[in-house]
Amino acid sequence: LAKTTQPISMDSYEGQEVNITCSHNNIATNDYITWYQQFPSQGPRFIIQGYKTKVTNEVASLFIPADRKSSTLSLPRVSLSDTAVYYCLVGARSSGDKLTFGTGTRLAVRP
Amino acid sequence: NAGVTQTPKFRILKIGQSMTLQCAQDMNHNYMYWYRQDPGMGLKLIYYSVGAGITDKGEVPNGYNVSRSTTEDFPLRLELAAPSQTSVYFCASTQGTGFYEQYFGPGTRLTVT
Repeated sequence: LAKTTQPISMDSYEGQEVNITCSHNNIATNDYITWYQQFPSQGPRFIIQGYKTKVTNEVASLFIPADRKSSTLSLPRVSLSDTAVYYCLVGARSSGDKLTFGTGTRLAVRP
Repeated sequence: NAGVTQTPKFRILKIGQSMTLQCAQDMNHNYMYWYRQDPGMGLKLIYYSVGAGITDKGEVPNGYNVSRSTTEDFPLRLELAAPSQTSVYFCASTQGTGFYEQYFGPGTRLTVT
């Protein structure tokens, strides 16, 4: 499984756009990039998944450069309720890869 | 759909006691997982199952056992509880192996004293 590196913590203010970058230098050809969100005392929740270029859904956008060695999760106009831990995971669907959660990025949104 | 449900929500065990954490899903997912999460840490995979009757070890299986007699249920058994098993336990399910979207339950907070 490709190892990922992401910042331990980030601070933001309500209404700002937040970008969390994840490094995955040894990503394999078949690997997907997936982000999960976890609120205190809850299980993680799937946010977004992508393979290349850009993916957007109602919650976030995921930007993946051509070399795929990093990715950026973008949260538009965050609110206090976006305060959570965000995990970046990399792995393939077909190989039976298991989700490996690091310590994630702890995002604190202030009023 | 209830999704993934877990019982109990909280439990305190004495050292050496045993218990079963229950997990059920109503999404007809073949793949189910058990994780534990220690304070301030990420989740670690304990056991997983790719279908009824098939289970396999994850990263931290020692001290735990699982069974999968039906598609819906995936109980986790703790034998001879130890303080090191104090943690929050999450069950998850998914339609496909690995990197398909996993749906997590609300967790069981277990304290062993």
